[in-house]
Amino acid sequence: GQQLNQSPQSMFIQEGEDVSMNCTSSSIFNTWLWYKQEPGEGPVLLIALYKAGELTSNGRLTAQFGITRKDSFLNISASIPSDVGIYFCAGQHSGAGSYQLTFGKGTKLSVIP
Amino acid sequence: NAGVTQTPKFRVLKTGQSMTLLCAQDMNHEYMYWYRQDPGMGLRLIHYSVGEGTTAKGEVPDGYNVSRLKKQNFLLGLESAAPSQTSVYFCASSKAGGGRETQYFGPGTRLLVL
Repeated sequence: GQQLNQSPQSMFIQEGEDVSMNCTSSSIFNTWLWYKQEPGEGPVLLIALYKAGELTSNGRLTAQFGITRKDSFLNISASIPSDVGIYFCAGQHSGAGSYQLTFGKGTKLSVIP
Repeated sequence: NAGVTQTPKFRVLKTGQSMTLLCAQDMNHEYMYWYRQDPGMGLRLIHYSVGEGTTAKGEVPDGYNVSRLKKQNFLLGLESAAPSQTSVYFCASSKAGGGRETQYFGPGTRLLVL
C-alpha cells in the first residue's frame, strides 16, 4: 500500500516554542489533511488542504500543501499545554476511491510548562 | 446531536470468541468507515460503506465482516477473535465521498484479545 512518512515521531518542547512537523509520500495526493488525537479520543480534523501550494491557517496552526503534491507541513506557533496530543497527516485522492484516507504514523507532541 | 458514537468503549475477548462493534451516527451521512489503530501506527481502513445496504473492503479486511442495514448504523464483526486483532477501533462517517468531505471520527473501542 501507499506509505506516508511523518516526522518527527515525537517532540518534547517548552511552552511558547514553535513546532514544525511534516509528511512525505511516495505518491501524489489531491488533498492533505491534518488531524489531532487526544488520549482516549478519536482524531479531530484541524486543517484540510485542497490545492498544491495552498497555505491555510487555523488559529495558531498553519499547514501547507507542498508544490509537488507529495508533501505537507504543519506548524504550531507559541505552543501551549493543551497542544499535547498526537498529530496525524492523511492524504486523499480525488475521483474513484477518493474516500479512502492514507494516514501517517503520527507525531506525538509533549509540551513542558 | 451526538455525532459518531461507538459501543462498547472497551472489551476483553478470549481467542476464538466473537463480538460485534456498533457505530452510530446522527448526521445523516452516507459514507461510514471502520479503521483500526495500532501502537505507533496511523489508522488503517478495514471496511467502508458508501450507503445503506452496501459494504466494501479496505486495506486490512481479513478477519472482519461488516453490515450496514440502516443508514445510521455500521456494524463491525469479529467471528473468531485472534490476538492480532487487539487494537483500538475507530468508526468514522462523512456526508459523501470525495476529497472535500470531512470524515468525523467516533471516540474508539479498545479491544483486547487474550
